[in-house]
Amino acid sequence: GDSVTQMEGPVTLSEEAFLTINCTYTATGYPSLFWYVQYPGEGLQLLLKATKADDKGSNKGFEATYRKETTSFHLEKGSVQVSDSAVYFCALTLNQGGKLIFGQGTELSVKP
Amino acid sequence: EPEVTQTPSHQVTQMGQEVILRCVPISNHLYFYWYRQILGQKVEFLVSFYNNEISEKSEIFDDQFSVERPDGSNFTLKIRSTKLEDSAMYFCASSDVPGWVLEETQYFGPGTRLLVL
Repeated sequence: GDSVTQMEGPVTLSEEAFLTINCTYTATGYPSLFWYVQYPGEGLQLLLKATKADDKGSNKGFEATYRKETTSFHLEKGSVQVSDSAVYFCALTLNQGGKLIFGQGTELSVKP
Repeated sequence: EPEVTQTPSHQVTQMGQEVILRCVPISNHLYFYWYRQILGQKVEFLVSFYNNEISEKSEIFDDQFSVERPDGSNFTLKIRSTKLEDSAMYFCASSDVPGWVLEETQYFGPGTRLLVL
């Protein structure tokens, strides 16, 4: 079935370090891909998305490129801040009924 | 910025009791969703809803669950007879275009944490 796999957390980094959170997917069709972020005590917020191969989604310094050949959508940021501490969810939809399929989430903790 | 709101933020109930989780979607949105996340597990799709009908539901969404849009602003999830395994965080989401549109983005509420004892 369709699924998303993320790297295990928690990930702990120092401020200004480079961040990569790996995400790979399995899909029967041609999905759209998303990264959602959940700050403590808040709901899931869309961080970025990409709807076709080789598209790069970007927002707030975060980027992810839709790689069809490797079925991946890794999240990167060049210099993390303490305020980036949150749980990050990779997700896909097959653009039919709108159902989102999520990965298990990766907790990021950034230390000053 | 418009946001999805959910009430209550936390609910504790006894096994076998009925609970209703409430959501107020963004005002011009017409497509509504419920998801849940059992502690330590993935966020799972429960149901999608449009035009007063269920569009799609998952295997989790059995006869114990129902959804309703009782008025122009609320969207509710009812669990008729709660089980221990219903303990989870429940998220409501809404969007202004259908899921098959590439530009579709779902906006999530902060969640209701349900604990069944």
